[in-house]
Amino acid sequence: NAGVTQTPKFRVLKTGQSMTLLCAQDMNHEYMYWYRQDPGMGLRLIHYSVGEGTTAKGEVPDGYNVSRLKKQNFLLGLESAAPSQTSVYFCASSSLTGRETQYFGPGTRLLVL
Amino acid sequence: GENVEQHPSTLSVQEGDSAVIKCTYSDSASNYFPWYKQELGKRPQLIIDIRSNVGEKKDQRIAVTLNKTAKHFSLHITETQPEDSAVYFCAASGYNTNAGKSTFGDGTTLTVKP
Repeated sequence: NAGVTQTPKFRVLKTGQSMTLLCAQDMNHEYMYWYRQDPGMGLRLIHYSVGEGTTAKGEVPDGYNVSRLKKQNFLLGLESAAPSQTSVYFCASSSLTGRETQYFGPGTRLLVL
Repeated sequence: GENVEQHPSTLSVQEGDSAVIKCTYSDSASNYFPWYKQELGKRPQLIIDIRSNVGEKKDQRIAVTLNKTAKHFSLHITETQPEDSAVYFCAASGYNTNAGKSTFGDGTTLTVKP
């Protein structure tokens, strides 16, 4: 039982490049979330999903897109990366019954030059 | 939407002393309040939580108190140890509503000096 995993762990992009971050969970959780964490600013919700095939915007969705084609996977895409998107990205998941408790992945550190 | 404020942003204590971190929230509909600990370079992990029908909850050296009237909740760590050094986040969410979304405070960096 790996819990929540994220790939890649670290990535460097040039401004304007695109990339996709992958989150996978093996706990059969319904809910999945993408956060970004910047120094001194806590965790801010980018997008979230309440189930396969559904996604919704969070607090800071601009510049990001997401997809949840399979229940266990939640993808975060950056179509045209900007330096302001340099951050640490965390994926999390929670179950239908105990959905408030979130289980986090190890994070992806992204640097946009 | 919900707004969570967390204080202090940094806290330094001597080993063995107690540490208290406070959070306030704005949405009276919030009724689930978890606390996460994040060690340097690691993921946030739940350490304790409380629901609105409970005023206090303890787990060994950690306790959380909730005052729903005043809309604030606090984390108390007693007999602090160097391994308690980390960033602590509070959060608030609506139980059974809102897709389980939590609004997080900005975090408190706790340093325990040996």
